[in-house]
Amino acid sequence: DAEITQSPRHKITETGRQVTLACHQTWNHNNMFWYRQDLGHGLRLIHYSYGVQDTNKGEVSDGYSVSRSNTEDLPLTLESAASSQTSVYFCASQQGIGGTINNEQFFGPGTRLTVL
Amino acid sequence: KQEVTQIPAALSVPEGENLVLNCSFTDSAIYNLQWFRQDPGKGLTSLLLIQSSQREQTSGRLNASLDKSSGRSTLYIAASQPGDSATYLCAVCYEKLTFGTGTRLTIIP
Repeated sequence: DAEITQSPRHKITETGRQVTLACHQTWNHNNMFWYRQDLGHGLRLIHYSYGVQDTNKGEVSDGYSVSRSNTEDLPLTLESAASSQTSVYFCASQQGIGGTINNEQFFGPGTRLTVL
Repeated sequence: KQEVTQIPAALSVPEGENLVLNCSFTDSAIYNLQWFRQDPGKGLTSLLLIQSSQREQTSGRLNASLDKSSGRSTLYIAASQPGDSATYLCAVCYEKLTFGTGTRLTIIP
């Protein structure tokens, strides 16, 4: 069965370290997204991609970067981790051609990141 | 800026009852609306997606309606079961998904 996975599921790191969270999907979806979920804020979009070599900033992109070298993966990098980036991170994918976004999004299980 | 509201934030009902969860949004210019459930410590599971041209969608005991002009959607759960206990999130899609903060539902056996 097609799926979307995230690793690691839990991560503790220190302020200032670079951290990369992995996201892998076997749906062969063009569109992939990264969100963070925080109490009181709900889910907020960090970065998204509509295909290989395409990346775009979301509403809370400062301090984060992504790259899309193939269809299956969209790793999220925290350049220099800050305590404000302690959160639960979700990756999602969606079938879309040419940037169409009106299909269902499917979510991974999440990564709980703690920055000390 | 699109804002999505879900009231109440928490709801408890006895098993077997039918119930309605509410979602309201401020900008009617949307492509679709999606309902998700989230179990504690887990990811989001897509329940139903309603395109902007549709009025409702059904899946099993779930029925979602959409009134774009009034900025409202409801999720109707029939014959509730303890396994329905979860947080239910709605999200509206235009250029991106904008999420509500969810309703935490508890079904009391």
